[in-house]
Amino acid sequence: AQTVTQSQPEMSVQEAETVTLSCTYDTSESDYYLFWYKQPPSRQMILVIRQEAYKQQNATENRFSVNFQKAAKSFSLKISDSQLGDAAMYFCVLDSGYALNFGKGTSLLVTP
Amino acid sequence: GAGVSQSPRYKVAKRGQDVALRCDPISGHVSLFWYQQALGQGPEFLTYFQNEAQLDKSGLPSDRFFAERPEGSVSTLKIQRTQQEDSAVYLCASSLELAGGDTQYFGPGTRLTVL
Repeated sequence: AQTVTQSQPEMSVQEAETVTLSCTYDTSESDYYLFWYKQPPSRQMILVIRQEAYKQQNATENRFSVNFQKAAKSFSLKISDSQLGDAAMYFCVLDSGYALNFGKGTSLLVTP
Repeated sequence: GAGVSQSPRYKVAKRGQDVALRCDPISGHVSLFWYQQALGQGPEFLTYFQNEAQLDKSGLPSDRFFAERPEGSVSTLKIQRTQQEDSAVYLCASSLELAGGDTQYFGPGTRLTVL
């Protein structure tokens, strides 16, 4: 069974500051992918960043980066220089086949 | 090009009614997925198509749920005899190929409310 756990239901960050969202997962597969998706209030789910499990190097996309710890099955997302537009629900997602397995999400509030 | 579109965006049904939810994937995308997102939860997988073939329907909650993609493009999710527990947002996603890790692009969802 695949499980994804996000232990932070809500997080808050000030504009221009850095925030880290936590995620742990469990899978028996050796080949899998991890994602962070963002869902703003308009509800369109948007891909933020993608990580292949076989790659040791942490993925980076502009202000977004991950800390992938394969042995610990941990996959955290760091958002640098936070902007008001970053406010959304963030989902940690595991893909070990084709169907995506989502965590329950972390609601990120960005304050001016 | 255009993204994934879904219609209607909102649907209110009386308990016992049948509903049909439509998904238009990105043109040329082989794979199509349906997910159900209950309030305050992450989406959960319902079913998956590769072209017109439904390869996995293990996530469909009951035999009242039926999905089709007859020509390998547009898909319809049908719910018969709706129940209050069917109230949720139904998300459609498509990806270019069938491959683990291929990015799935999501539509805006259809919010179904069953009274």
